[in-house]
Parts: sequence; C-alpha cells; structure tokens
Amino acid sequence: EVQLVESGGGLVKPGGSLRLSCAASGFIFGTYSMNWVRQAPGKGLEWVASISSSSSYIYYADSMNGRFTISRDNARNSLYLQANSLRVEDTAVYYCARGGPLRTATRKHSFDPWGQGTLVTVSS
Amino acid sequence: QSVLTQPPSASGTPGQRVTVSCSGSNSNIGSNTVNWYQQFPGAAPKLLIYSDDQRPSGVPDRFSGSKSGTSASLAISGLQSEDEADYYCAAWDDSLNGLWVFGGGTKVTVL
Repeated sequence: EVQLVESGGGLVKPGGSLRLSCAASGFIFGTYSMNWVRQAPGKGLEWVASISSSSSYIYYADSMNGRFTISRDNARNSLYLQANSLRVEDTAVYYCARGGPLRTATRKHSFDPWGQGTLVTVSS
Repeated sequence: QSVLTQPPSASGTPGQRVTVSCSGSNSNIGSNTVNWYQQFPGAAPKLLIYSDDQRPSGVPDRFSGSKSGTSASLAISGLQSEDEADYYCAAWDDSLNGLWVFGGGTKVTVL
C-alpha cells in the first residue's frame, strides 16, 4: 500500500523555522516527483513546492518568497520542507503528495496519494 | 484570489446531476490537463479525476470530467449523500518558471 506520513509540525513563533518531513512507503520513492501543498484553516488548497525524482527540477510558489526549501533523500524514502522566517499567515496543514513517475512531463502529473497532513501553527 | 475560478458552492438532491465549473486561462487549462480532488472535512484530499477526464481505479463512474478551451467541468451523476464534500480543480501553469495552480474549491451539498 502506498503511504505518506508527514511529521514535524507544531507551534512556532513568528520569524521561527520548522523542518517538515514526509516518510514514503509502498512504492519506489526515487522514481516519482513529490510535492508539498498547504491548507490554511477553513481555506482552500495552496501549492507550495515540487521536486523531481532526482532533485534536478525544483519549483516553488511565488508566494513562498524564497523562505521555503524543498528537498528529498531517496535513500531514506523521505521528502522535506525547510520553512524559515515563518509568518502568521503560514499557519496551515501541510500535506505531502506524490506526483508523477519518471520520464513523464510535470504538466501531466497529478497528486496521488496525499499524506494525512501536519499542522503548522505560527503564533506568538 | 485563486488562479482557477470555481463557484463556492453547488447543491442537488439525491439522484440529480450536479456540475462544478473551473475557469482558467491559456497558460493553465488552455494548454495543460486538469485534475480534480475531493476532500471531506478533516481528511486529506483524494485524486478524483486526472488528465481532464480519467478516473483512478476505485472512483465511481458517476464522477466524470470534461474540458473545453480554458474551462473544465466536474459532473456528478446520480448524486449521493456521501458525495457531500469539497471539490478542487488544479492544473499546471506555464507562466514564468512553471507552477501548480488550484481553484478555490466548491462545496457540494446534498439537499
């Protein structure tokens, strides 16, 4: 069974940092792109970042303003999101989601499956 | 303000057909495929439709997707009470360096 499990969320003060992790199992992790998507309380889905299978291609939403860094460790079947200079408006559930397989264009990918999410609360 | 525009709500009675629209532009829906996601309260989103009109294994065939030009639609035929959820469209956008864009979501209510 394909499974994604996020961790690392919690309460952090404005200006602080967090490192989110996503542990993958049930598929060959190193052959799929991966993504982070967030959802503020009561709001819609917002794409955060994507990374290709070999980390050769990385994309960020402009609204992250260079504060977030996506990375992966294929040997550990893990995806990461380093979030710095956190703001109150970054408060959200952060989901990791599997993207498309190797050798398929990013534009043709879909996000499937998704993890259960980890809550990041930025508050003083 | 989402790049893809969806109505905030839609509703129907059991057995009815309900459609959810998703409007974009040439840089996203007009040149790339559309995916749809279903989300129940307190749960993670789930892929419902991919590549405009394809259903993943296990998705009932009462769910269907279509696309024309810069707009896409999700149709739910034979609406059931368990279909009450939030639905989001998404597509790759060719603007700048490339990015994923989502619709604001549509809450489907079964009356």
